[in-house]
Formats: sequence, structure tokens, C-alpha cells
Amino acid sequence: QVQLVQSGAEVKKPGSSLKVSCQASGGTFSTYAISWVRQAPGQGLEWMGGITPIFGPASYAQKFQGRVTITADESTNTVYMEMSSLRSDDTANYYCVRVTGMNDGFDIWGQGTRVTVSS
Amino acid sequence: DIQLTQSPSFLSASVGDRVTITCRASQGISSYLAWYQQKPGKPPKLLINAASTLQSGVPSRFSGSGSGTEFTLTISSLQPEDFATYYCQQLHNYPQYTFGQGTKLEIK
Repeated sequence: QVQLVQSGAEVKKPGSSLKVSCQASGGTFSTYAISWVRQAPGQGLEWMGGITPIFGPASYAQKFQGRVTITADESTNTVYMEMSSLRSDDTANYYCVRVTGMNDGFDIWGQGTRVTVSS
Repeated sequence: DIQLTQSPSFLSASVGDRVTITCRASQGISSYLAWYQQKPGKPPKLLINAASTLQSGVPSRFSGSGSGTEFTLTISSLQPEDFATYYCQQLHNYPQYTFGQGTKLEIK
């Protein structure tokens, strides 16, 4: 069974950058897509972007275009999400999720990475 | 962008009740819709994809229906473990996904 294991909690200063990792264990990593979803405290779910490693370039929600970069390292079965110019409203739980097909939904979720942006 | 509007945003019900949550899309999305359940402190859990396909291991008291712009999630007989927040998600505008704002289901 595929599991997604994310890097640990982060505390960042406003204006700094963040890099969160998501390592997949089990299954064939490059044949499915990995997306990133965030959830601010007490708020709903927000899709940020995603990548299918065998197809290359990531796609992003317009809101995050230019500030978020998603990359994949097939040699380590790891996907990374980098975010620059952090603001206090980027404080949230960040989840990586697996997507196996167009109408399949997000069937496997990482445990989440709590990111706090505070001066 | 495709917008999803869930109703109600809050729902108070009792164990054994039948409840229905509605998700309306701003444009037609065929059957490209998923439903999730989220409990406090946990990641969401996929319940239903393709509007009506129940995920393995999800109790049969959960069901989904609809197509086009209107969808429903029904829980036929609420159990204590069902009190949670539920989200719909459109999968039509792949890979530009959007979620509904959520419906919090509380114990009456």
C-alpha cells in the first residue's frame, strides 16, 4: 500500500521561503500524480498545484502561480513543494495527496506538515 | 474557475437521522465529483469519487448522486463516528481542482 510521508513542521519568518517534501513508499511513484493541498486553521481545503513525474511540468492554481514550485525526484520517490515570499496567511497545514486518474479523487493523503509564518 | 457551493454549511443532527448535503457547481461537471470526510486533526478521507462510486471500506450508509451541476451526499442512518466536516471537490477541470467550502455535521 502506498504511503506518503511528509517532512516535519516548520516555523518561518515573513518574506522567507519554505520547502516541504513528500516521499512515497510502495507502488510505482512516477505513474501517478501528486498534488498539494493546504488548509489554514479552521478553514477549508485549497488545491495549490500538482505534478505527474513522468509527464514533467507541474500545474498550479492561479493564486499560487509564480510563488510555488513543485518538483519531483524519481530516484528517491519524493515530491517537493517550495513557496517563496511567505506571509502570515500562509500559516496552514500542507498536505500532499495522490491522484491516480482524472475522476479518481485524492485517495491517499500525507500526514500533513504544519507551517507557521510569524515574525 | 469552477466554483462549488455546499449547503448547508452547518448541520445539526441526531444518531440515526438521514442527512443530505448538497453541492452545486457553477457550471456542468458531468460526474466529475468527489466527497471527503475530515475529522479534527486528521487529513481528509476520500469517501466517494465519480459522484457515486463508494471507496473500498466506506460504509454503505454513505451514498452519492447527481450529475451536471447538482450533487448530493446522503448518510442514511447517522452513526456517532460520522460527525465530521464534509467537502465536495470537482475533478472536471483537471488538474485545476476546487473544493466546496465544507459542511460541518454536528451532534444535536
